[in-house]
Amino acid sequence: KNEVEQSPQNLTAQEGEFITINCSYSVGISALHWLQQHPGGGIVSLFMLSSGKKKHGRLIATINIQEKHSSLHITASHPRDSAVYICAVRPRGGADGLTFGKGTHLIIQP
Amino acid sequence: KAGVTQTPRYLIKTRGQQVTLSCSPISGHRSVSWYQQTPGQGLQFLFEYFSETQRNKGNFPGRFSGRQFSNSRSEMNVSTLELGDSALYLCASSSQPGQGEGNEQFFGPGTRLTVL
Repeated sequence: KNEVEQSPQNLTAQEGEFITINCSYSVGISALHWLQQHPGGGIVSLFMLSSGKKKHGRLIATINIQEKHSSLHITASHPRDSAVYICAVRPRGGADGLTFGKGTHLIIQP
Repeated sequence: KAGVTQTPRYLIKTRGQQVTLSCSPISGHRSVSWYQQTPGQGLQFLFEYFSETQRNKGNFPGRFSGRQFSNSRSEMNVSTLELGDSALYLCASSSQPGQGEGNEQFFGPGTRLTVL
């Protein structure tokens, strides 16, 4: 069974801090997604990656395929980064849809 | 380019009824996926459609069904509603189905279904 574990479950930090959210999964995958969900439900896709590292603005996502682990980093965090961050993976072969982690609730205090 | 749209945005039904939710993908996108989000289970995959064919189905009972039309719009139907079906139903569209690092999913705002 494909499982996706995220840590931490909840994270409160001060504005400006460097944030790291971790995601571990149990099966071979074809791609890993990092998603952001704000209150109200809207989901935005932040990254989709299958190897290496991607950067977009203050956000950086890395993946280690051998260790089945990915991290999402936020540099110079800001209160507007407060949201739920969700990791999702698509198993290799594509026979199943995305499997999601439970999400990390991030609060950035001014 | 208009984003993914879902209708209705909110819906209240009673147990035993059925419901149909609609999703219009981004223009040019031919793949539509549906997800259910509940406080207890989080996000769970329901179905994936591409070119009017269901490619994948999640672990949901047969009361949950869907289809995709020739214009790529998709509908999902839930029959004999149960209290536990109360959830946010999200659809997402992409240009191609399944894997591929460039195949980003774009999510709609969701339909919040309440079953009384």
